Amino acid sequence: EDQVTQSPEALRLQEGESSSLNCSYTVSGLRGLFWYRQDPGKGPEFLFTLYSAGEEKEKERLKATLTKKESFLHITAPKPEDSATYLCAVVSMNTGNQFYFGTGTSLTVIP
Amino acid sequence: ETGVTQTPRHLVMGMTNKKSLKCEQHLGHNAMYWYKQSAKKPLELMFVYSLEERVENNSVPSRFSPECPNSSHLFLHLHTLQPEDSALYLCASSPSLAGKETQYFGPGTRLLVL
Repeated sequence: EDQVTQSPEALRLQEGESSSLNCSYTVSGLRGLFWYRQDPGKGPEFLFTLYSAGEEKEKERLKATLTKKESFLHITAPKPEDSATYLCAVVSMNTGNQFYFGTGTSLTVIP
Repeated sequence: ETGVTQTPRHLVMGMTNKKSLKCEQHLGHNAMYWYKQSAKKPLELMFVYSLEERVENNSVPSRFSPECPNSSHLFLHLHTLQPEDSALYLCASSPSLAGKETQYFGPGTRLLVL
């Protein structure tokens, strides 16, 4: 069964303290892995798509990487405005187009 | 308006009421989705529409009834809901059902069933 697990559930960082969020997955053939940011009371906002192991994508302080079993979202020198819930979703070859979401990591960056 | 819009943003209803949620996408996409988001749970896919035809219904109770009159609009009709249906309902769209393109989400409707 396709599954997505995100860790940690919650993370508190001091401003400038770099860290990583994890998204581990078990799917039969990965079609794509997606990272989203969700602010309270809003819908998820697209960040990155990764398609194959070894791929990396970068945007400002965020960098997403992908292996055959997991993806990391690295946050370098975070700022308070990076506080949000980060969601990971995967699409497998088996299910065609259905997105399987993790429960997210709630990130708080303290000034 | 740009992106995906949803109305209303907040809704409180009794268990005997009938209400509808509206979603509109301004992206020229062919696929639209309804998701339910509850605290501490992953997003749950409810319905998928492609070119106005329903292609997926993930065992959703019949008290939720979707309608897609055209490729830009999606409705979720609600009747005789239960308190456990209280959640954030998200609409999303994507260019197609290929599964390699991201979905773009609306801001959601926060629903409270009393």
